[in-house]
Amino acid sequence: GAGVSQSPSNKVTEKGKDVELRCDPISGHTALYWYRQSLGQGLEFLIYFQGNSAPDKSGLPSDRFSAERTGGSVSTLTIQRTQQEDSAVYLCASSFSWQETQYFGPGTRLLVL
Amino acid sequence: GQQLNQSPQSMFIQEGEDVSMNCTSSSIFNTWLWYKQDPGEGPVLLIALYKAGELTSNGRLTAQFGITRKDSFLNISASIPSDVGIYFCAGQPNNNDMRFGAGTRLTVKP
Repeated sequence: GAGVSQSPSNKVTEKGKDVELRCDPISGHTALYWYRQSLGQGLEFLIYFQGNSAPDKSGLPSDRFSAERTGGSVSTLTIQRTQQEDSAVYLCASSFSWQETQYFGPGTRLLVL
Repeated sequence: GQQLNQSPQSMFIQEGEDVSMNCTSSSIFNTWLWYKQDPGEGPVLLIALYKAGELTSNGRLTAQFGITRKDSFLNISASIPSDVGIYFCAGQPNNNDMRFGAGTRLTVKP
């Protein structure tokens, strides 16, 4: 498809385990964004990439969170030593370039038991 | 960072009624966007506004970028059952990342 895709769609993990979430942006989009959406809440900005670099990491909730993007395309968001409060929907979006309209993926629903 | 205040939090309306929701900010935004999110899906862009005072329509949807650049509203006319969902406003401060409102949950009764 032509849209943003994310995998897995759902992830259940035990507290303390590491998880890796993947985002495939729209082809040709140079900017990629990660958001977190807790139950019934708005979207919390986590990090964005322009190309392979991430100029602003200030939105990451803790040092257990990291993200990388290689080849200017796929990005992974890694959460180490997951905690129950990490349970949320993690949304990825991409745009043609920074500050242009963002298009969202369907999200990964993470549940930490 | 700059947060958006979106209201109302939820609305229960009858099919055919018009709906209005708005977002305000304490700081100036360069861009205002309105998204709709269906259950289990990511947000989908409805309307994008890039200029103060701009009024844009998309079918039954109308949105405006406030003159002060600190607010925006979204109107839905003649609501139908498929309008059900969560509507998010989003704004972009100067050279900064996107900020989202907490959402307005719309329920339309047939």
